[in-house]
Amino acid sequence: AQSVTQLGSHVSVSEGALVLLRCNYSSSVPPYLFWYVQYPNQGLQLLLKYTTGATLVKGINGFEAEFKKSETSFHLTKPSAHMSDAAEYFCAVRYNTGTASKLTFGTGTRLQVTL
Amino acid sequence: EAGVTQFPSHSVIEKGQTVTLRCDPISGHDNLYWYRRVMGKEIKFLLHFVKESKQDESGMPNNRFLAERTGGTYSTLKVQPAELEDSGVYFCASSQKGQGARGYTFGSGTRLTVV
Repeated sequence: AQSVTQLGSHVSVSEGALVLLRCNYSSSVPPYLFWYVQYPNQGLQLLLKYTTGATLVKGINGFEAEFKKSETSFHLTKPSAHMSDAAEYFCAVRYNTGTASKLTFGTGTRLQVTL
Repeated sequence: EAGVTQFPSHSVIEKGQTVTLRCDPISGHDNLYWYRRVMGKEIKFLLHFVKESKQDESGMPNNRFLAERTGGTYSTLKVQPAELEDSGVYFCASSQKGQGARGYTFGSGTRLTVV
C-alpha cells in the first residue's frame, strides 16, 4: 500500500537553529512530492513541490527539500528557524498511477520554535 | 482571485443529527476534492469531482456521507446521521482542469465535532 511516513509528530527547535522535518514514502513508481503547512486557524498552504527535474526544491519562507530516490525521502529543511515558522507541516505524495489526482498525506509534524 | 471558501468553519452537532458542509472552489476550477483529518491522524482523501461528476469516491467512509456538486460549481458534503467517529476537520481543495494534485488550492477547513 502507498504510504507516507513523517518521523516525529512534534519537533522543537530554538529560534535560529536548523529545522529538519523528515518524510519517507513508499513507491515503486516516480512520485510527485509536496510539503504543506497549516498555520493556526488557517488552511493548508503549499510550501514546495517536486514533480520532475532538479531534486533540490526551494519553496516559500526559506524552506527547501531534496528528493532522494535511493532513500525514498523528501526531507524539509530551513537553515534558521523563526518564531513565525511554528505550525503543522504535512508531507504528501501523488503517485503516477490511476490515482493521479489525489494525495496521500503523512500524519503531520508540529513544529515548535522556542526563544 | 478569491480562494477556496468553506463554511461553516466550525460545527458542533449531536450524534444522530445531520450536518451539511459547503465548499466554494475557485471560479473556473473543474476539479474539486474533499479530504478529512480525524484527530491525530493523516489527512485522507474522500472524493474527487470533475465539474458535476464524481470522478473518484473511493475514500468515502460509508453511505452516511453524501457529496454533491450542483452545476459543477459549489459542493456540499452531507453527513446523515452523524456518528462520533465523524469528528474531524474536513478540507476542500480545487484545481484547474489538467492540474490535478499538482495545482491544489485548499480551503481553511470545517471543524466538525459530534457529541
